[in-house]
Amino acid sequence: GIQVEQSPPDLILQEGANSTLRCNFSDSVNNLQWFHQNPWGQLINLFYIPSGTKQNGRLSATTVATERYSLLYISSSQTTDSGVYFCAAAPYNNNDMRFGAGTRLTVKP
Amino acid sequence: EPEVTQTPSHQVTQMGQEVILRCVPISNHLYFYWYRQILGQKVEFLVSFYNNEISEKSEIFDDQFSVERPDGSNFTLKIRSTKLEDSAMYFCASRHGQGNTGELFFGEGSRLTVL
Repeated sequence: GIQVEQSPPDLILQEGANSTLRCNFSDSVNNLQWFHQNPWGQLINLFYIPSGTKQNGRLSATTVATERYSLLYISSSQTTDSGVYFCAAAPYNNNDMRFGAGTRLTVKP
Repeated sequence: EPEVTQTPSHQVTQMGQEVILRCVPISNHLYFYWYRQILGQKVEFLVSFYNNEISEKSEIFDDQFSVERPDGSNFTLKIRSTKLEDSAMYFCASRHGQGNTGELFFGEGSRLTVL
């Protein structure tokens, strides 16, 4: 199946800093999503972004499908941004979204 | 806003017992999924379900696991004889999607603890 790799595995920031999280995938994709897992374990949809660029407040994401990567940008980070960020992707010929191992973000006050 | 709902939120069971986890996908969605997440690890795909049959399943989804859509709204995961290593958070998800497109929405999860 498709391989999804995320970097960095861990990231510690001061409140107010900006960050970029990366997701590489091994096949052409039909689906790509970014999720935030909050401290209660819920998976919160951030972006559905198989290609192109989207923005939602302080968060934005870009997927370059031809080069098989996606980036999640967090600007002016807040302590509530802490948690694990997952990228998940599904290839064209397959239904199953595969998750990366996640990036654990800690934002310190 | 429509959402995927899961019950129970937490279940504790003895090793060897059968467990059924229940999910109500978003009502007009066509594709349904189960994933699991062992504590501190990544989210792993178990099975996808479309048109009343399994579409894909992972190597984790062995003979101990089964899924069913017993009526027009519920989607269940059964673990026939639980093992200690089945302790995990189990997530149900659904999407509307024609073909392989469409955003995936997750429920809040069912935490299974096997003693």
